[in-house]
Amino acid sequence: GEDVEQSLFLSVREGDSSVINCTYTDSSSTYLYWYKQEPGAGLQLLTYIFSNMDMKQDQRLTVLLNKKDKHLSLRIADTQTGDSAIYFCAESPMNTGFQKLVFGTGTRLLVSP
Amino acid sequence: KAGVTQTPRYLIKTRGQQVTLSCSPISGHRSVSWYQQTPGQGLQFLFEYFSETQRNKGNFPGRFSGRQFSNSRSEMNVSTLELGDSALYLCASSLEGQAEAFFGQGTRLTVV
Repeated sequence: GEDVEQSLFLSVREGDSSVINCTYTDSSSTYLYWYKQEPGAGLQLLTYIFSNMDMKQDQRLTVLLNKKDKHLSLRIADTQTGDSAIYFCAESPMNTGFQKLVFGTGTRLLVSP
Repeated sequence: KAGVTQTPRYLIKTRGQQVTLSCSPISGHRSVSWYQQTPGQGLQFLFEYFSETQRNKGNFPGRFSGRQFSNSRSEMNVSTLELGDSALYLCASSLEGQAEAFFGQGTRLTVV
């Protein structure tokens, strides 16, 4: 079945690194995604990783994928107050194309000065 | 390049009414998906359209329907509105065969 879980809340200080974790159950997922949602806004695609990769780095963002444990993480280096938002991980189950995403519950990141 | 545009941004309807939401995808994108976001259920997939055909469907009652036009613009309709239909409805578009899905700002529907 499809199920994606995230911790609900993370609080960090400005300049620290943030690590947001996600676990998923569908081992057939082809891609795994991280989206950011600010208050009153839609979802902004931050980055994504193909299921046969272990790591992807994109500027301040590092995605780590542990397929054995079905664990995905997003590390934000030098976290800024503008990074405060809700972060969603999502998977795209195999055979549904890339357009049927299964989302986690979201992690609210609060960055304090 | 314009992003995904959803109209209207806000909508208030009365229980029992019906509503139509619109989504204009990024130019060149032919796949459009719809999602419902509520505090209780989170983000849930409604359906996906490609080339005017529904290709994937989520687990929602038949009151939720959609369509796609030849210019790839999509509409979703909810009939016989219930209080529980109050939500942020998000639309996403993507290029066929590409992993990235880009979301609009959403339409916030309030049913009173």
